[in-house]
Amino acid sequence: DSGVTQTPKHLITATGQRVTLRCSPRSGDLSVYWYQQSLDQGLQFLIQYYNGEERAKGNILERFSAQQFPDLHSELNLSSLELGDSALYFCASSVGGRVPDTQYFGPGTRLTVL
Amino acid sequence: AQKITQTQPGMFVQEKEAVTLDCTYDTSDPSYGLFWYKQPSSGEMIFLIYQGSYDQQNATEGRYSLNFQKARKSANLVISASQLGDSAMYFCAMRDGNSYDKVIFGPGTSLSVIP
Repeated sequence: DSGVTQTPKHLITATGQRVTLRCSPRSGDLSVYWYQQSLDQGLQFLIQYYNGEERAKGNILERFSAQQFPDLHSELNLSSLELGDSALYFCASSVGGRVPDTQYFGPGTRLTVL
Repeated sequence: AQKITQTQPGMFVQEKEAVTLDCTYDTSDPSYGLFWYKQPSSGEMIFLIYQGSYDQQNATEGRYSLNFQKARKSANLVISASQLGDSAMYFCAMRDGNSYDKVIFGPGTSLSVIP
């Protein structure tokens, strides 16, 4: 158990819908990262937050947004869902700013868009 | 630009044997860190081992060790005494000073341990 929690574990929804994925980092970690893992794209970095502020952006679509709250939990919002958004979404956390700053991953949320 | 290459999409190893999973990387930054993660079929990503670019010794963590060859820009993972539970996808990843907040992952190697 990495200490990172993600809910829900599974999510099935329809095209055009909007969903919210939730992540709680390990105790003491200030950085939260979101990744998308699909069969054809591998593990893609989406976005990172550090202590409530957006720190880095990767291949995140405009239909996706995220935020980190004062209690450091984070939410990833996916809207206007398409079939291609079906994937495993990971949240990871790290201390932030201190080498090696290892990321620890949550169990993931498996999103299926029908 | 940063890049991680894992040239072995799939590997087989006999139980109790050692296996080496290849990883080469590309960065122009002298300061970087390399990570290996394991992803079993259950889906979670498990951190295994870390090597810093300035570390003098190769990293070891139990049955895992990292064969770090800086000049060749390679950071191969060695798993000794393979166990059935080692069957999984293995990802090499890198973070460097140019884009410290981004960790780049390789495509992964699928390891199957044969009894």
